[in-house]
Amino acid sequence: GAVVSQHPSRVICKSGTSVKIECRSLDFQATTMFWYRQFPKQSLMLMATSNEGSKATYEQGVEKDKFLINHASLTLSTLTVTSAHPEDSSFYICSARGQGGNEQYFGPGTRLTVT
Amino acid sequence: AQKITQTQPGMFVQEKEAVTLDCTYDTSDQSYGLFWYKQPSSGEMIFLIYQGSYDEQNATEGRYSLNFQKARKSANLVISASQLGDSAMYFCAMSFDRGSTLGRLYFGRGTQLTVWP
Repeated sequence: GAVVSQHPSRVICKSGTSVKIECRSLDFQATTMFWYRQFPKQSLMLMATSNEGSKATYEQGVEKDKFLINHASLTLSTLTVTSAHPEDSSFYICSARGQGGNEQYFGPGTRLTVT
Repeated sequence: AQKITQTQPGMFVQEKEAVTLDCTYDTSDQSYGLFWYKQPSSGEMIFLIYQGSYDEQNATEGRYSLNFQKARKSANLVISASQLGDSAMYFCAMSFDRGSTLGRLYFGRGTQLTVWP
């Protein structure tokens, strides 16, 4: 199956700093990438949908100025958590969807801890 | 609004036995896709199986099969011959191939499956 990578896998940062998470599709062109957030023992909640070359579409309740998403190419999307706070600590997972396909391929996730 | 319901927070099964994980959904759309994903403790989401709403036959992938009952709006996952490595969280999800919701997945709350020897 298709491979999606995420970097970093774990990050610890201090409150008030910004953190960038990369999501890459390694062997296919991802026209659409999705960013999810998952709290412990809970389901995945969609944060935003990003299409290459256009602005991301954010879900209701997600602050677009805090969670900056850039989908600059067909193989790379980035999520930047700006001015992170402890409540932003979570597991962030991206997924990528190619053209004409039904499947979504997930990255391995990034565990963010804000101290 | 689209909704996925998984009523079993936890399930236990003995190794080599079959287990069914329940999933019901609610939508007025006629065209949609149903997915099952496995999430082990490492956190990665592993795609298991897909069923399109117009597929007449139930999907099967190895030991996984999807019991699709469209009229009842259910899409239960059946795992045959359970293995210890099947212990994980299982998520049912739905997507739609239209408009602004194109491709996004709506997830259920998940079922934690434990396989014991």
